[in-house]
Formats: sequence, C-alpha cells, structure tokens
Amino acid sequence: NAGVTQTPKFRILKIGQSMTLQCTQDMNHNYMYWYRQDPGMGLKLIYYSVGAGITDKGEVPNGYNVSRSTTEDFPLRLELAAPSQTSVYFCASSPTEDYGYTFGSGTRLTVV
Amino acid sequence: GEDVEQSLFLSVREGDSSVINCTYTDSSSTYLYWYKQEPGAGLQLLTYIFSNMDMKQDQRLTVLLNKKDKHLSLRIADTQTGDSAIYFCAEPRRDHGSSNTGKLIFGQGTTLQVKP
Repeated sequence: NAGVTQTPKFRILKIGQSMTLQCTQDMNHNYMYWYRQDPGMGLKLIYYSVGAGITDKGEVPNGYNVSRSTTEDFPLRLELAAPSQTSVYFCASSPTEDYGYTFGSGTRLTVV
Repeated sequence: GEDVEQSLFLSVREGDSSVINCTYTDSSSTYLYWYKQEPGAGLQLLTYIFSNMDMKQDQRLTVLLNKKDKHLSLRIADTQTGDSAIYFCAEPRRDHGSSNTGKLIFGQGTTLQVKP
C-alpha cells in the first residue's frame, strides 16, 4: 500500500516549457486535490476532484490544468511555465469529504 | 476574516510544553485539523477535532476548541526534538450553496523549534 505517490520529486523547467506532475493513489479514494506551497504562505488549492470524470478549480487555477480519467490518477499539467509557478506541489487524497487528507511527498519545481 | 491565521514561529526547550494557536474563519466548520510537516516531506494528519467537542486528548497532544472565538490550539506535552516541524491548522471551506467537497483552507504554518 503505497498511499499517494508523486513524480517527479524535483524538476527544473525553463520559462515557456510544459510538464505534467503525476499523482497516483492506491487507496480507492474518491477525493483528490492539488495544492502548492510557497514559503510563509501555507498551502493554496489549485484544483480538486470529487471522483473520476469530475474536476473543479480551486483558489489559484490559472496556468494549470487537470484531468481525472481514473479513480487512481490525478495529473497536473503546467502549460507555458512561468517563474511564478516555482513552488512545491502537493497532491492529496481522501476517502470522504471529512476524513482528512493523505498527502504525497511533493514535487519541488523551479522555473528559470 | 477570510484567512486561517497562525503565528509563524515558536521556540521551546526540550521537555517543556508547546502551545500552537490558530484562528479560523467559519463557525459552522464541522471538523478542524492539525497537520505536521517535517523537513522535505509532505504533510501528515496529526489530529482533528469535531466541532461539538471542546477538547480532545491523544497521548501527548491536546486540542482545545473555542467556537465562540473561533480559536483552536494544539498543546504538545513534554516536547521532544523530534517534534521540530511546521504545524498547520486547517478548516473545511464550503462555497455558498454548494455541497461539501472536502476542500481545506490551511493556515500559514507555525515552525516549532525544539532546543535541547
């Protein structure tokens, strides 16, 4: 039982490049979330999903896209990377809306 | 206010008690959560409290909830160097008229430094 797995752990992108941050969970959780963490700012919600085929925007969705074709996978796509997207990205999942999250170990992204 | 507020830093000596405070925003929140983040790692759910409780104790951890003031605190008894981490409080955020989607709003995090 691996929990929530994020890949890659680290990545450096050049301005204008694109990439996909992968997130997969093996706990059959319906709810999945993407957050970004900036120093001293806590975590901000980018996108979330309440089940396969359903996604919605969070607080800071601009510059990102997601898809949820299966219960297990919730990839986050960055198109045209910008320096403002330099951050640590966390994926999380939950079995219900009240249970609390299981987090992945994060992806540290630097855009130069 | 719109934000979950925490103080940014707390330093204690090993063996002392630590108290980390949080002010949340929504008096109708059902659950409130405390997460712990160790260096270079993701967040781990530490404990939670249901809104009909004033206090919850779990080994060295005590959570106090004051709904009137929308104030949440986490007390760690006999603080150890392994408790050094960032602690986040979080509350559910429900958009007006919509169902609960499990979205959480996090505070900025309190860095706990434990000196030997």
